[in-house]
Amino acid sequence: QKEVEQNSGPLSVPEGAIASLNCTYSDRGSQSFFWYRQYSGKSPELIMFIYSNGDKEDGRFTAQLNKASQYVSLLIRDSQPSDSATYLCAVLPQRGSQGNLIFGKGTKLSVKP
Amino acid sequence: NAGVTQTPKFQVLKTGQSMTLQCAQDMNHNSMYWYRQDPGMGLRLIYYSASEGTTDKGEVPNGYNVSRLNKREFSLRLESAAPSQTSVYFCASTVDRGYGYTFGSGTRLTVV
Repeated sequence: QKEVEQNSGPLSVPEGAIASLNCTYSDRGSQSFFWYRQYSGKSPELIMFIYSNGDKEDGRFTAQLNKASQYVSLLIRDSQPSDSATYLCAVLPQRGSQGNLIFGKGTKLSVKP
Repeated sequence: NAGVTQTPKFQVLKTGQSMTLQCAQDMNHNSMYWYRQDPGMGLRLIYYSASEGTTDKGEVPNGYNVSRLNKREFSLRLESAAPSQTSVYFCASTVDRGYGYTFGSGTRLTVV
């Protein structure tokens, strides 16, 4: 059973701090990794994806991937109250598989003014 | 572009009633999905359609049926609703799994 694990939180950080969200996955052959943001009562929205080991930056967001450790993270710099949401990690199984995205249960982030 | 459109947004059913949730995408995506989301359970895949003309079961298909009407539309039917089907239902689509999914705004269904 392929799994994606996230700490459910809530993760509470003060405004302006760095929020660090973590995700581990069980399928070593996984090829693509996605971070979704879901505001309360809304649908998931794709904010970042990463395919290669290392860091990928987009504005205040940085995705980090370490395939050897089967670990992907999302850093949010200068956190704002508007970043308060649940963040879902999703993993695409290995190339050649017909598997669909596997979602973690999400980490709830609360940014306090 | 509307993206992925789901109807209705809210629905209350009595146990045993049937209904169809509609989903349409205007992005020329090949694959479409139906998920349910329950507190503490995350997103669970009900059914998916990898391409027009095909449908497959996901993690929690019991009590549901689907129809891929054409490339744009993918409907989810509850034949005899049960309180356990109270949930938020999301439709999603993608041109290719490697690009991630685009989600609709969801249908909040309550079965009493």
